[in-house]
Amino acid sequence: KAGVTQTPRYLIKTRGQQVTLSCSPISGHRSVSWYQQTPGQGLQFLFEYFSETQRNKGNFPGRFSGRQFSNSRSEMNVSTLELGDSALYLCASSLGSGGMNTEAFFGQGTRLTVV
Amino acid sequence: AQKVTQAQTEISVVEKEDVTLDCVYETRDTTYYLFWYKQPPSGELVFLIRRNSFDEQNEISGRYSWNFQKSTSSFNFTITASQVVDSAVYFCALSEASGNTDKLIFGTGTRLQVFP
Repeated sequence: KAGVTQTPRYLIKTRGQQVTLSCSPISGHRSVSWYQQTPGQGLQFLFEYFSETQRNKGNFPGRFSGRQFSNSRSEMNVSTLELGDSALYLCASSLGSGGMNTEAFFGQGTRLTVV
Repeated sequence: AQKVTQAQTEISVVEKEDVTLDCVYETRDTTYYLFWYKQPPSGELVFLIRRNSFDEQNEISGRYSWNFQKSTSSFNFTITASQVVDSAVYFCALSEASGNTDKLIFGTGTRLQVFP
């Protein structure tokens, strides 16, 4: 069974640019969540998508957005990049039954560096 | 408010020592789930265990064991006879059953270094 695939693994972008990260969940999983990991703030929840709908959102500015496609693949976009957006972005895949809170399986992440 | 506290920032042990990683959580929900994840240098978070709030039985899996105590809101993780391959950052996480979400609230992590 294939795991969670995130692309690209590494990105270097310039301040002010925008970036799109991709996540392919485990087959059969309908929930995709995104997390930002930085040395200062730790692991912070960005948003969660289930059946193409955002069902939960963390405390991040509107520059951070996402979407989910009918095949459960998800993308997240960050516009007008700032230096502080440099982080490891992790995608998590779960069955998404909600209320059962099944375990989430994570991808290897995309390391974004903003210069 | 939901919160997970891992007070130990870093722990260093010598191989074959036992080590316990502490996790204390806060939640107002009566139904919730607790998790432990391991993050090796590669960056991927590896799932270790999931417990629900109604199951306080301790669990053992090989060299790993978990002690869940609702009375103290703790979910501690013990590695017996540690090995160099156990070196990683370990995260404890909380998920509440209400709200129809799989959102995880993570602690700040404990970096474990096992020396040969």
